[in-house]
Amino acid sequence: GAVVSQHPSWVICKSGTSVKIECRSLDFQATTMFWYRQFPKQSLMLMATSNEGSKATYEQGVEKDKFLINHASLTLSTLTVTSAHPEDSSFYICSAPVAGGMDTQYFGPGTRLTVL
Amino acid sequence: GDSVTQMEGPVTLSEEAFLTINCTYTATGYPSLFWYVQYPGEGLQLLLKATKADDKGSNKGFEATYRKETTSFHLEKGSVQVSDSAVYFCALRQGAQKLVFGQGTRLTINP
Repeated sequence: GAVVSQHPSWVICKSGTSVKIECRSLDFQATTMFWYRQFPKQSLMLMATSNEGSKATYEQGVEKDKFLINHASLTLSTLTVTSAHPEDSSFYICSAPVAGGMDTQYFGPGTRLTVL
Repeated sequence: GDSVTQMEGPVTLSEEAFLTINCTYTATGYPSLFWYVQYPGEGLQLLLKATKADDKGSNKGFEATYRKETTSFHLEKGSVQVSDSAVYFCALRQGAQKLVFGQGTRLTINP
């Protein structure tokens, strides 16, 4: 089946620095990708919808300037956490639906961010 | 807004035991319902789905029936294996809108 990868799988950074997380669809093209955030023992919360060639759509309460999303190609979306703080520490997951099938979303393995 | 509630984990069972993971939802319309599974170190995978009331989704021995009257979509398996150890997420989706997930239930099967 289709595969979505994320890089890095984990990252530790100092407070105030920026961190970029990549999400790639390895064997299919994805005009849309989704970014989720998961706190320990809690559900995945959709942060934003990444659209190739246009601006991302952010969910209510998600800071656009804090979480920069770039969908530069049909196989790559990036999430940059700017000026990270300890409260940004979380598990970030991306997903991409197969074209024409929103029910079939392929998820990346996630990136664990720890901000010191 | 729409929401999904799962039974709290973790759940620990012995091999060949019967499994039930409860899931209930709150939605204004008629959502599609899903169960996703996340094995250690991997991304979420669609396990099964149901798109309308009384539909039964099934895969890999797992089943779940869309019960509109009780707004439930409980996951069941008659005889679990060690390889079923994973985190299970119940989710709903309204039309083309976003997926709404439950908090996940960690299942551990002991040999």
